[in-house]
This record gives sequence, structure tokens and C-alpha cells, in this order.
Amino acid sequence: AQTVTQSQPEMSVQEAETVTLSCTYDTSESNYYLFWYKQPPSRQMILVIRQEAYKQQNATENRFSVNFQKAAKSFSLKISDSQLGDTAMYFCAFMRYSGGGADGLTFGKGTHLIIQP
Amino acid sequence: GAVVSQHPSWVICKSGTSVKIECRSLDFQATTMFWYRQFPKQSLMLMATSNEGSKATYEQGVEKDKFLINHASLTLSTLTVTSAHPEDSSFYICSASDSGRQSSYNSPLHFGNGTRLTVT
Repeated sequence: AQTVTQSQPEMSVQEAETVTLSCTYDTSESNYYLFWYKQPPSRQMILVIRQEAYKQQNATENRFSVNFQKAAKSFSLKISDSQLGDTAMYFCAFMRYSGGGADGLTFGKGTHLIIQP
Repeated sequence: GAVVSQHPSWVICKSGTSVKIECRSLDFQATTMFWYRQFPKQSLMLMATSNEGSKATYEQGVEKDKFLINHASLTLSTLTVTSAHPEDSSFYICSASDSGRQSSYNSPLHFGNGTRLTVT
């Protein structure tokens, strides 16, 4: 079984600042995927970024980037030039590679990110 | 983009009754769908994996006789909460993966909008 730990229940930063959300995980799997999901008050789950464990290069999506440290089992999310619309719950998630297709996700407890104007 | 429709978005039922939640993939086929439960201010917990044409796989601690899952077609999975009680009140979310994509990486998980269940 795998576990995902997000140690920051809540974070607050000023608009335009850079913020980093931390995530660590534990698994015995060698091949897996990691994700960051955003859940705004509407509760719709929105994929922010994903990373394949076999790729050493950190994933980047516009203002969002990750720092993936496989040996340390760490997967932090950096949000640059934060915007008011970034205010939401952020969940780190783990998915093992199942060969034929997707598998269920294991989520961390989430970080409530508040962007202050 | 791929859309997963979940219905109803909210439902109120009386204790002891059953309620059915539908999860549909609108523009892709999904041999596998997943059901999650989210309590207020908490994370999503995987309840079960729904497989088209076969029995669902339940996570440890989830009562399969209480949470009935049926995946009768490639685009529809249903979750029935039987004999609901107030402690079953929660937010239920489904997700689906595009079976037409060849690898897990190329088949990102698409989430429904969720169903808020309140049992009175």
C-alpha cells in the first residue's frame, strides 16, 4: 500500500508571489505516476500537473512546476506569479502503474491555499 | 475534452432508503471507473474500482453489500447506497479513464462533478 503526506493544512500568500506546496509519499512500487489536483469551492477536481516516476525531468505547466525527488519520495508543487483564482484545495495524488490502464488514486489530505489580494 | 457526467449533483433521502448515483463518460469509453468518497474538509478516499462487465473491486473497509456498483456498459457505472443512514452523508465522486488510450499516462483520469448525499 502507498501513503501520501501533505504536511501543510493551509497556506496563505500574497497575489503575484511564488508558493511551494509540499508532498511526500511512500511506496514499494518502482513505476508510478504522481499528480497535483486542484479542488475549488465547486469541488470539481482539476488536474494541475502530472509526473511519471521514470522521467527525471520535472514536469512544468505554465505557472506550475514540480520538484520531483524520487529517491527522497518528494513531489512538491511550485506556483509562480500566484493569482486569486489559484485559491483552492490542492491534493497530491499517487497512482501505481497497472500495465493495462489507469488505477485508483491515493490522495494526500490536501493543502488549502489562499491567495490574498 | 473528455467529459464525465455525474447525476444527480445532490440528493436528500430518508434513512433506510436507497439512492442511486450515475457516472457517465460522454465522449469516450471507459472499461474502468473509480468511486471516491469525500467527507467535509477531508481528502478523497477510493471506495471501489468499477470494471465493465465484471464485479467491482472494493477497498478494505468498504461494505460491498451497502455500496452496490454496477458497470453494465462502457459508458455507465452506477453506485447504489442501500439502506442509507446519516453517517453515509458525504460527497461521492467518480472518475473514468479513456480505454482507447494505450497507456496510463495517455489516459488521464477524468472526474465527474460529484454528488452530495444527505441522509436525514
